[in-house]
Amino acid sequence: GQNIDQPTEMTATEGAIVQINCTYQTSGFNGLFWYQQHAGEAPTFLSYNVLDGLEEKGRFSSFLSRSKGYSYLLLKELQMKDSASYLCAGMNYGGSQGNLIFGKGTKLSVKP
Amino acid sequence: GAVVSQHPSWVICKSGTSVKIECRSLDFQATTMFWYRQFPKQSLMLMATSNEGSKATYEQGVEKDKFLINHASLTLSTLTVTSAHPEDSSFYICSARDPGGGWYQETQYFGPGTRLLVL
Repeated sequence: GQNIDQPTEMTATEGAIVQINCTYQTSGFNGLFWYQQHAGEAPTFLSYNVLDGLEEKGRFSSFLSRSKGYSYLLLKELQMKDSASYLCAGMNYGGSQGNLIFGKGTKLSVKP
Repeated sequence: GAVVSQHPSWVICKSGTSVKIECRSLDFQATTMFWYRQFPKQSLMLMATSNEGSKATYEQGVEKDKFLINHASLTLSTLTVTSAHPEDSSFYICSARDPGGGWYQETQYFGPGTRLLVL
């Protein structure tokens, strides 16, 4: 089976650092994505990890451990505009040629 | 980054009519596009995978005769909701797979979504 787990909600303070964890069990794993989705909008791409380790992009970093089936998204210097849902998605190369299996999303609230 | 467009962004229609939604990759060729549906406060649900020049692959529970998908070119896929009913009201989002420079560089970009309201 395929399953993506991430916390439902998180709260953090402006200027702080927050880590959003994601665990996955997928068949034919071929990479893990993080997307940001503001309410009422489509998701926007943040990162893609296929190899173990940390990928840094400005204030956002993403980490993957394939042996542990684990990833996290790290957000630094939080800003109010970072309040959004963060979606963890595993890529499956089963029968659907690279479709993404999404978690339910983590709703992050950034407070002053 | 790559851009995917969707048209229209909003549709309000009467029950029983058909609605066509277009998804275009603007600066890359997408051999594969995906169609998702998202109900309020729920996760994205994959409806179907659209491959250029071949029939779409539908997820379990999605009626292929109701949700017609045509991937006419490497930059365009269309989703037609036939005989729409109020329960089809949802947020429909497409994504396009950009292969990039190799398997470690590919990603998927989402269109802005189409809100469908069936009265």
